[in-house]
Amino acid sequence: RKEVEQDPGPFNVPEGATVAFNCTYSNSASQSFFWYRQDCRKEPKLLMSVYSSGNEDGRFTAQLNRASQYISLLIRDSKLSDSATYLCVVRDSSASKIIFGSGTRLSIRP
Amino acid sequence: SAVISQKPSRDICQRGTSLTIQCQVDSQVTMMFWYRQQPGQSLTLIATANQGSEATYESGFVIDKFPISRPNLTFSTLTVSNMSPEDSSIYLCSARDRATNEKLFFGSGTQLSVL
Repeated sequence: RKEVEQDPGPFNVPEGATVAFNCTYSNSASQSFFWYRQDCRKEPKLLMSVYSSGNEDGRFTAQLNRASQYISLLIRDSKLSDSATYLCVVRDSSASKIIFGSGTRLSIRP
Repeated sequence: SAVISQKPSRDICQRGTSLTIQCQVDSQVTMMFWYRQQPGQSLTLIATANQGSEATYESGFVIDKFPISRPNLTFSTLTVSNMSPEDSSIYLCSARDRATNEKLFFGSGTQLSVL
């Protein structure tokens, strides 16, 4: 089993739709969680951290479920510019290792 | 957040040669890392670049193939040695934010093609 697993997609949704994807992690001692966004041929960029209480940043909402060991990302009112690959990232308890999921491809169509 | 300058941005190399990639951070950072990303794949950690000591390599990566230097807290290099076509990939430098010690920032990557 992979340490961090994501649905690879692609998710193809119309502009304005709401889309959500999950990520599961295997190490119950994992400490920190993030969503990164990676555009084609670009480096990953931090989208948002994921906190136990859940957090929201504009149209983006991230949730953490420690009991079930998954995190989620919800995008409301999707824009064409949201088209990218979204990477789930988990930091282990030793704080030295950061593990990337394989990414979920999202494509927003007009 | 840290700003990371990485160069070269791309290169095409001959089999058997070596390429050194440089990474410069605009502030002192506690940790620097080198990743590889094959087309359509996620990031694979090659090694952690330790300041003033030998890098810590992940399983499947060795110092002879990927020597790394980190002479200070803002600079690191990765060399891809004795290249073969299988080394064609994007190589990414990253650094952890000293202030939060959590968030990871990336250089713009080096797209390497080996003929």
